[in-house]
Parts: sequence; C-alpha cells; structure tokens
Amino acid sequence: QQQVKQSPQSLIVQKGGISIINCAYENTAFDYFPWYQQFPGKGPALLIAIRPDVSEKKEGRFTISFNKSAKQFSLHIMDSQPGDSATYFCAASTAVRARQLTFGSGTQLTVLP
Amino acid sequence: EAEVAQSPRYKITEKSQAVAFWCDPISGHATLYWYRQILGQGPELLVQFQDESVVDDSQLPKDRFSAERLKGVDSTLKIQPAELGDSAMYLCASSLLAGGPLAKNIQYFGAGTRLSVL
Repeated sequence: QQQVKQSPQSLIVQKGGISIINCAYENTAFDYFPWYQQFPGKGPALLIAIRPDVSEKKEGRFTISFNKSAKQFSLHIMDSQPGDSATYFCAASTAVRARQLTFGSGTQLTVLP
Repeated sequence: EAEVAQSPRYKITEKSQAVAFWCDPISGHATLYWYRQILGQGPELLVQFQDESVVDDSQLPKDRFSAERLKGVDSTLKIQPAELGDSAMYLCASSLLAGGPLAKNIQYFGAGTRLSVL
C-alpha cells in the first residue's frame, strides 16, 4: 500500500514537444505529491509539488495534474528542451509517516535536439 | 546556496569489508534521511533522524548497517560487512522539520556516495 507506481520507464521526445509522466498510488493517507528531477551524478532536486486539494499546479513549463478519485497524478513538461533530459521521480508522503518520501521507480527522459 | 554535503563521492570496496559514508546536512535542518538508490530505481528510505534521535529505522538492515547522528548535526552510515548486493547510490537528505507546514518538510538531497562492492 506504500507503493507509488510510475510510467513510462523511459521517454523520448523531440525538442518543443510535450513530455507526460504518470504515477498512481494506493495509500489514501498520502497528502503531498512532489516531483523530483535527477541529473546523472547528482541527487534528486525538488521540481514541483501538489496537494490533493487542487487538481492542477503550474510552474513555468511544468504542470502537475492530480486526479484524487483515480489516485493518479501526472507531470507535463511543455515545450520540452534538451536541458530537461534527466530522470524524473514522482513521490508521495503523509504526516502519518513523518513526511517520509515514497518514490516511484523513475522515468528517464531524453529530449532530442 | 546551502547544500547537503556527502563524502566520499565514490567508494569501491571488497565483499566483507567495512565502509562508512558521511553526511553534513544544510545548517539548521533538524531532520536527516539516508536513502539507498539501486541503479534504475527510486530512492528507498533507510533511516530518518530528528535531531540526534532515530525516528524510523525499520528499513535499515540492522545486522550489517548502522547509522548515527551523535550531535544532531552530521551523520555517518556504516556497513559492516559489505555484501555484493549493497552496491548502490547512498543519498542523504535533510529538511527543516518532519511535520508541521509542508514548506518546512521539503527534502534537499546531497549528490550521494556511489558504492561498488567487488
């Protein structure tokens, strides 16, 4: 019940295209859903996050869409750029578990120039 | 910009040897986490500290792994003896708090220690 399932495992898009990464969860106690971006040789860095009381959050080219009833959330990267090439992890946490992050398995995004 | 410092960046060791990793969190961050990230997977929590106290070490293989944060600042993760299956990236993260306003719960990660056990 602690799992967060992420898809696809890898994604290749052309520069300027839209990248979409999907995640699903089971634990209804999760109430915070961040996305982390990780470049090779670096630790994950927080990209954007959402709480389940809103259905969408946008920051620049990055948007999270959240569907509470379906227990799914997704990251959309608009106008994808080669510099966005990285591994993206969705995650979830709950105050019940001291805000520990449960991560998805990651999506390796490649944006072709 | 403040960062979580980890050392060493890379460690190669032989099976059955002891290894230790060090983490210095962002100044003022009370909560410290150690994660293990196997290649191609997401990070998995090993242990969480609040100041010098362990909040959760339920996922820490205690027969061979130990972690301490004696003065509530920097932390050391030790593996003894190392096994082939321990090869992974070991990430340290810190946050202001674990609880309360979400803004204080944002976890900041270090660059990690890549461990290879031969």
